[in-house]
Amino acid sequence: SQKIEQNSEALNIQEGKTATLTCNYTNYSPAYLQWYRQDPGRGPVFLLLIRENEKEKRKERLKVTFDTTLKQSLFHITASQPADSATYLCALDNTGGGNKLTFGTGTQLKVEL
Amino acid sequence: DGGITQSPKYLFRKEGQNVTLSCEQNLNHDAMYWYRQDPGQGLRLIYYSQIVNDFQKGDIAEGYSVSREKKESFPLTVTSAQKNPTAFYLCASSMRGEDTEAFFGQGTRLTVV
Repeated sequence: SQKIEQNSEALNIQEGKTATLTCNYTNYSPAYLQWYRQDPGRGPVFLLLIRENEKEKRKERLKVTFDTTLKQSLFHITASQPADSATYLCALDNTGGGNKLTFGTGTQLKVEL
Repeated sequence: DGGITQSPKYLFRKEGQNVTLSCEQNLNHDAMYWYRQDPGQGLRLIYYSQIVNDFQKGDIAEGYSVSREKKESFPLTVTSAQKNPTAFYLCASSMRGEDTEAFFGQGTRLTVV
């Protein structure tokens, strides 16, 4: 069956360090993968999209990698700040057309002073 | 301001009653989606619509109904047939086509007592 796995345990890191979150998937052949941020009680907010033919994408302190052989995406936040504390969701296109996204369960990140 | 609006933010209903959740967008997006989020689970797709007067079932459509009479509006009705309706409901919209980001509303937390 199709599955998207993100680490369900919260990730606690110190301010200034790099946070790395993992998204693994099985039985998908996504054309692209997206990362979203969700704060408690609010809707997700889009962060980055990476296509299957792209190895890496950057946006300010954020970096995403996409390895279609390993079926894995890594999401990095460099120089992390307490304001980065949130739940981060990865999402895959599971139709090969349109934008019908399937989401992982998310990983909660806590950045401590 | 352009955006997607869900109302109300909190909704309480008695068991056995149908309830309709509102979702309006002024982003001129063709595609709209309804997701359900439960604690510890990812977002699960209920219904989606790629164009006015057309919609498709998602992964968990049983006990729900939708309509898409206007481009801006995609209301979701939670019927009495839905076994576990208490959840956080999220509406999203996007441009049609592949690899476009989804814009989410702030969600409606429905509690059925």
